[in-house]
Amino acid sequence: GAGVSQSPSNKVTEKGKDVELRCDPISGHTALYWYRQSLGQGLEFLIYFQGNSAPDKSGLPSDRFSAERTGGSVSTLTIQRTQQEDSAVYLCASSSQGGWGTGSTDTQYFGPGTRLTVL
Amino acid sequence: AQKITQTQPGMFVQEKEAVTLDCTYDTSDPSYGLFWYKQPSSGEMIFLIYQGSYDQQNATEGRYSLNFQKARKSANLVISASQLGDSAMYFCAMRGNTPLVFGKGTRLSVIA
Repeated sequence: GAGVSQSPSNKVTEKGKDVELRCDPISGHTALYWYRQSLGQGLEFLIYFQGNSAPDKSGLPSDRFSAERTGGSVSTLTIQRTQQEDSAVYLCASSSQGGWGTGSTDTQYFGPGTRLTVL
Repeated sequence: AQKITQTQPGMFVQEKEAVTLDCTYDTSDPSYGLFWYKQPSSGEMIFLIYQGSYDQQNATEGRYSLNFQKARKSANLVISASQLGDSAMYFCAMRGNTPLVFGKGTRLSVIA
């Protein structure tokens, strides 16, 4: 079956511009996650959606970052007034259950990522 | 706070040999899950194996096994019979009552 898809695969933008990154989760997965991976680093959690609501936005680095999810499916991560330090690979993941609850065996499946370069 | 430590930035292994990638963790959550992901040069994160903190047996998935030592808070990944296609970054991750936390990864290079 189809996995998580993300678009665009690469995005080059100028400092100060807004960008939108899209994620299509695995069909039927209620939970969706955004992560950021800077060069040579591990993944940094940004935001988690359960359905259309975002119970955990604790990882968003600033108010320039926002995300929404509509219809319990597609999600868009928006970065306003991009800065050079926003350059990274943005990864999206989905899972069937979601949440951080104890005993959860929920596994996250990742998309191929969007490489964002801010000049 | 949750923390994952991967102390090996890079590892080399001969093709067909076994290799162990180290992972230690720190958490105060009574129940948690441990994951290993593979990230080839293409960039996609590929789920490999999962271990629950209350699982009695070590997890295995084909050539991958997880050496889980709860008292030592370690969750090492063992890859048996390494293949050239195993060359990639490997990330250990943990989830308790928090979002998934990742280590900084280990770059594995398989030599023919």
